[in-house]
Amino acid sequence: SQQGEEDPQALSIQEGENATMNCSYKTSINNLQWYRQNSGRGLVHLILIRSNEREKHSGRLRVTLDTSKKSSSLLITASRAADTASYFCATASRNSGNTPLVFGKGTRLSVIA
Amino acid sequence: DVKVTQSSRYLVKRTGEKVFLECVQDMDHENMFWYRQDPGLGLRLIYFSYDVKMKEKGDIPEGYSVSREKKERFSLILESASTNQTSMYLCASSNRGPHSSGNTIYFGEGSWLTVV
Repeated sequence: SQQGEEDPQALSIQEGENATMNCSYKTSINNLQWYRQNSGRGLVHLILIRSNEREKHSGRLRVTLDTSKKSSSLLITASRAADTASYFCATASRNSGNTPLVFGKGTRLSVIA
Repeated sequence: DVKVTQSSRYLVKRTGEKVFLECVQDMDHENMFWYRQDPGLGLRLIYFSYDVKMKEKGDIPEGYSVSREKKERFSLILESASTNQTSMYLCASSNRGPHSSGNTIYFGEGSWLTVV
């Protein structure tokens, strides 16, 4: 019952470049969250964007949301080696009561110094 | 800061053993979750609980059970471990309120279980 699907599955870039990851989902949502996971560790919440927002910034992170296309993107600008991690989008259907968040399979980002 | 603590980071168990994975959170969260993470499959929800002594099946509950006797503690039990349960297990918690309204989930560091 996964809602979010990230694309690409893996991304390798040079330090200083921008990294863009995309997420598509299937049902109507009130918000979408992005999480980060360092190798072998737990996930950490990065940013939340609500359905009435089109874009949101947090430091070097920029998240966009297009509810008409049911998609979101996470942009990391001026990437650093420390950004190497997996990134997941997570959603809960608007009409699902209090069902848990559903996570996509993630994008594995490698930033090469 | 919210802290979700998983008592064991690495475990090696034998097929057929009963395995307990313990998770404790210190932020008085009502909601607790157990996920399993495997390469190429992402995070899959095993069980969750929104209150003490309450449990709900997730997407892959077969072969697992849970216990929530106290609000802060949520245990995952493998009654008879099998090799296909070799995986990374992630515990998480969140505050009361619907996730569809933006409730954030806090994760533990994970428990790597190998069943031989």
